[in-house]
Formats: sequence, C-alpha cells, structure tokens
Amino acid sequence: EVHLVESGGGLVQPGRSLRLSCAASGFIFDDYAMHWVRQAPGKGLEWVSGISWNSGSVGYADSVKGRFTISRDNAKNSLYLQMNSLRTEDTALYYCTKDVMLTWATGYFDSWGQGTLVTVSS
Amino acid sequence: QSALTQPASVSGSPGQSITISCTGIRRAVGGHDYVSWYQQYPGKAPKLLIYAVTNRPSGVSHRFSGSKSGNTASLTISALQTEDEADYYCNSYTTGNTRLFGGGTKVTVL
Repeated sequence: EVHLVESGGGLVQPGRSLRLSCAASGFIFDDYAMHWVRQAPGKGLEWVSGISWNSGSVGYADSVKGRFTISRDNAKNSLYLQMNSLRTEDTALYYCTKDVMLTWATGYFDSWGQGTLVTVSS
Repeated sequence: QSALTQPASVSGSPGQSITISCTGIRRAVGGHDYVSWYQQYPGKAPKLLIYAVTNRPSGVSHRFSGSKSGNTASLTISALQTEDEADYYCNSYTTGNTRLFGGGTKVTVL
C-alpha cells in the first residue's frame, strides 16, 4: 500500500523560509514522478510543483516560480519542497502526491498524503 | 485565476444524474487528453476518480464517468447518492508547462 507522510509545516513569518519533506513507502519511489499540491483554507486545490523520476525535469506554478524548489532523494525515498521568501498567500495545507508516470507533466495523481499545514503570518 | 473553469456548485436529487463541466483554454484541455478528476470530502485528501478523460481506476464506482468535447471536459455522476456530496476538481496539463486544477465544484444532494 502506498504511504506518503508529509512533515515540516508550521508557523513562519513572511519573508522567511521553510522546507517540507515527504516520506514515501509502499512503492518503487524512483519509478514515478512526484508533486506538491496545496490548498489554502476554504479554497480549492492548487498544483505547486512536480519533479520527474530522476530529477531531470521539474515544473512550477507561476505563483511560486523563483521562490520554491522541489527536489527528491531516491535513495531515501523522499520528496522535498524548499520554500523561500514566503508570503501570507502561501498559507495552505501542502499535499505530497504520487504520479503514475515517470515524468511530471502528463500523468495524474493517484495517491495523496494527508498534508502538512504551512501558516505564513507575522 | 485558474485557466480551467468549473461551476461553483451543482445539485441534484438522489437517483438523478448530474454533470460537472471543466472548460479551459485551448492549449490546456483541447489539445490533448491529460485530464483527470478528483473527489474531496471535507477535511480529507483528494481521491482520483477519472484519468485520461474517460478511465476509472479500480475501485471507483461505475456511476462516475468522464468525457470531453472540444475544450470542455465533463464528469457525470449517475444515480446520485448522498455519499456523492463532496467537492470535485478537474486537472490538466497546459502547454505553458504547468499543471492546473479547476476552481472546484461543490456537489449537493437535495
């Protein structure tokens, strides 16, 4: 059974940084692309970033481009999201999701974690 | 502002069929078939319902079906049940090299 567990969320001031992690188990991690999807309180889903199986290709939403960096460590079955220059509008529950493809652009999200909450506030 | 537009809400009575539309710019939806649909209950993580426009993962009820015409993808829920009350989201790849979700549709069973 696929298991995705996010961690690293918390309360942070605007302009500061935070690093999210996602521990994956139950599948061959380096056979699949991975993503981060977020949901602001009471709002809809927003795709944040995706990374291919070998880190050779990454993609970002325009809202986070230049501030967030996605990465993965296949040896540790882990996905990361480095978030810099955080803004109040980045406040959201951040989900780690598994793709069904090797590359991030054209698949779909077949497994989701329970999310980690990031609150950006002074 | 999302480039994939969904109605904010759709409602129906038990046993009826409802359809949720997902309308996007040409390059997002009309150019290819990378459209998927997700169901989300309050306080829960989303669940994949439909992938590649029309395909159902194993375990998803046959009452859920997907289709696409031109630049609009659709999710139909047949024989509506109270357990179908949830939020529904479409997702697609855009040739702007991003993935997009629609704004979401709240389904209410009357």
